[in-house]
Amino acid sequence: ETGVTQSPTHLIKTRGQQVTLRCSSQSGHNTVSWYQQALGQGPQFIFQYYREEENGRGNFPPRFSGLQFPNYSSELNVNALELDDSALYLCASSLAGQPQHFGDGTRLSIL
Amino acid sequence: AQSVTQLGSHVSVSEGALVLLRCNYSSSVPPYLFWYVQYPNQGLQLLLKYTTGATLVKGINGFEAEFKKSETSFHLTKPSAHMSDAAEYFCAVRRNSGNTPLVFGKGTRLSVIA
Repeated sequence: ETGVTQSPTHLIKTRGQQVTLRCSSQSGHNTVSWYQQALGQGPQFIFQYYREEENGRGNFPPRFSGLQFPNYSSELNVNALELDDSALYLCASSLAGQPQHFGDGTRLSIL
Repeated sequence: AQSVTQLGSHVSVSEGALVLLRCNYSSSVPPYLFWYVQYPNQGLQLLLKYTTGATLVKGINGFEAEFKKSETSFHLTKPSAHMSDAAEYFCAVRRNSGNTPLVFGKGTRLSVIA
């Protein structure tokens, strides 16, 4: 079975720009969660989508937004990028309530 | 609210020695507990999980962990370290009901010395 895939693997942006990160969930998984992992830190929960609806959100501002599509793939959008947004962004998919399976992440650098 | 504390940001062991990575959690409800491993430039791979039942859980690559409710701990061990075990290890907790997200510790970097 195909695991969780994320694109792109690396991205460089400047302050104030907008970015879209993409995630294809593992086959059959209906829940997608996004995490931000700053350098030297553990992942921090951004939000979660279940069957195309956001059903949980961490302590992130509204400029972090997302979508989940009917095939359960997902996007993370970040507007008005700030230097502190530089991080590894991880997507994880699962069946509801089951262990999460992670992709390899997108490394976002803000200049 | 839930939280995880991993004691020691960096642990160094000799090849063949015991690996012990410490994790304490705080949870207002019975937790599910997890250990993930992260190799350089990769995502997180699930090592093992505790949900219910037996408190000693075995995972991949020879790792195991024991859930101790009285000590609110979930320490990760491996009897004999291998060079390939060098990585970052994360302990995580979530509620045992509903479709809830993971709360991670800050991680412990394991180095294995030949």
